[in-house]
Amino acid sequence: QVTLKESGPGILQPSQTLSLTCTFSGFSLSTYGMGVGWIRQPSGKGLEWLANIWWDDDKYYNPSLKNRLTISKDTSNNQAFLKITNVDTADTATYYCARIELTTQTFDYWGQGVMVTVSS
Amino acid sequence: DIVMTQGALPNPVPSGESVSITCRSSKSLLYSDGKTYLNWYLQRPGQSPQLLIYWMSTRASGVSDRFSGSGSGTDFTLKISGVEAEDVGVYYCQQGLEFNTFGAGTKLELK
Repeated sequence: QVTLKESGPGILQPSQTLSLTCTFSGFSLSTYGMGVGWIRQPSGKGLEWLANIWWDDDKYYNPSLKNRLTISKDTSNNQAFLKITNVDTADTATYYCARIELTTQTFDYWGQGVMVTVSS
Repeated sequence: DIVMTQGALPNPVPSGESVSITCRSSKSLLYSDGKTYLNWYLQRPGQSPQLLIYWMSTRASGVSDRFSGSGSGTDFTLKISGVEAEDVGVYYCQQGLEFNTFGAGTKLELK
């Protein structure tokens, strides 16, 4: 059974760095074709893809946010991480992590999401 | 960047009616392997998105056969045959050819 769960700070101030953790089970990020992606959703709005990391440590970022994003993984502990630097109120959203599969390029399992608020 | 544009539905939709949700990409999603990298998701109210369709027309595991996907390289349709209460939510298309862009979503409301 594949499960993912996001964790984060809840609230942070503008200009700070947002650090998110995705803890998963039921698959391994050392397995060929497996990846984890981060997607966010401001309240009442649509989904925005942020970044993916793959089993071979390949990383892909949303070009519009690339300079602010860093994705990484800890394969031994079944975790993936996302850092967003210099946050502002526009980064307020629910952040999801999801498993992504290479051959279909689908986000086939999603976490429940974690709400992050940027406020002074 | 590939831009995904979704159409709207004439909400609210009567229960049992069939509906089609459209999605258009700014670039062909047909890859050299013969597959079209277009996926569909449903996000029910208060829930995380769930995968419905991948490779434009292949239903994900456990998805009702009331859902079907079709299209060309740039124009896509998700058809729901006989909408039910559990189908209410927002439907998103997503391309998997270059990065992973989502459409803005199409809301389905039931009468």
